[in-house]
This record gives sequence, structure tokens and C-alpha cells, in this order.
Amino acid sequence: DVVMTQSPLSLPVTLGQPASISCRSSQGLVYSNGNTYLNWFQQRPGQSPRRLIYTVSNRDSGVPDRFSGSGSGTDFTLKISRVEAEDVGVYYCMQATHWPWTFGQGTKVEIK
Amino acid sequence: QVQLVESGGGLVKPGGSLRLSCTASGFTFSDYYMTWIRQAPGKGLECISYISGTSSDTNYADSVKGRFTISRDNAKNSLFLQMNSLRAEDTAVYYCARTARTPDSWGQGTLVTVSS
Repeated sequence: DVVMTQSPLSLPVTLGQPASISCRSSQGLVYSNGNTYLNWFQQRPGQSPRRLIYTVSNRDSGVPDRFSGSGSGTDFTLKISRVEAEDVGVYYCMQATHWPWTFGQGTKVEIK
Repeated sequence: QVQLVESGGGLVKPGGSLRLSCTASGFTFSDYYMTWIRQAPGKGLECISYISGTSSDTNYADSVKGRFTISRDNAKNSLFLQMNSLRAEDTAVYYCARTARTPDSWGQGTLVTVSS
């Protein structure tokens, strides 16, 4: 299975400041059609996960533009340009290139 | 809007069986793959099975292969997960997710607890 490794696992952030989460995969994530199926999910306390970013850098509908994704190969990053109170939760990267699709361990974002 | 509602969870003894359902609305159900994803209490996320719109393509994680069966009824906009030979380690919240190459919309989940 492809192992997804996130860092840091805990991220205290000051409101209005930027935040960055790293995700590394144990194998390359380019699918046979040329797409890289690396996604980011947000899980707020008590809620289901919500997809924020798909295929590395595409924001889902309704996702604020302060969220951005980047990366290639085996190294990927989720950035929040200015953290807001509603961004508190756990963020997961997830690869859907190789079955079984696998998630990172999660990064808990909290306000300092 | 896309809505997915899971049901069928509960308390079951080790070795027992349970059938989960997921009812979909707000989109053309038969056009989409669907995925079951679970989250053990306080733990991360695990994709355990997916099924194509026509049911011709299915896959399972090794952790559930041979014990769980995914199916769907497009006429009823419903997805199912038949879970047999349940183990304590199957205890989790089970989510269904609409899948367009990757899971995009998730339900609220249903809790399955396997305990004697």
C-alpha cells in the first residue's frame, strides 16, 4: 500500500497567519492517464470529512481561495494563506491513484 | 444538492453480520462510482471498497476482502455494504462517498460497534 506521511501532525496557528501542511507519498502518484490523484480533506470537529482540493491543486466549489494545493511526484503541500477560526480541524491528504486509496495520518490545526 | 444518508449501524457481537445502507439524492446516482470509507474512533480514515455505476467494477481493501460485499440498487438510489464475520477492529464510523475518480461528497456516517 502507498504510505502517506504528513507533517506536522499538530499545527498551532495564530489567526490571520499562514499555515502549511506537507504530505509525502511512498510512491509516485501519477496515474496512467497523466493525472495525479492527490486530494486534501478537512474534517471539522464532529463533522464528516469535506474535500477541499483534488488532483493536487484544484479547489472544490465553495472552498475559500485562501486554501491552495501544490506539489508533484511524491511531495505535496496544502497552504492556508490566512487562518480563520473556522479552519480549526484535522486535515488529511489522500491518494486515489493506487488501490487501496490511502490517507495521511492527519494534521490537527488549532488556534494558538 | 448532493445528499448521502447512511443507516444500519449498531452494536453487533464478534462473528456477527450487519448490512449498511446509503441513500443518495441530488445527483444521477447511476453515473457515479461509490466508495465506503471508515474511521475507527479517534483514528484516521480507511477506504475499504468501491463500486462502479453499473456494478461491473468493485474492489476491496485486504482488511475486509472475503468478509464484506459492496452492492448497489440504482433504481432505489441506494448503496449497500454487507459485513460478515465482524471483528472488534471493524468498529468504526462508516461513511459512503460519491466518487468521481476520488471521493467528493460524503454522508454523515453510521457507527458500527463490534463488541461482546
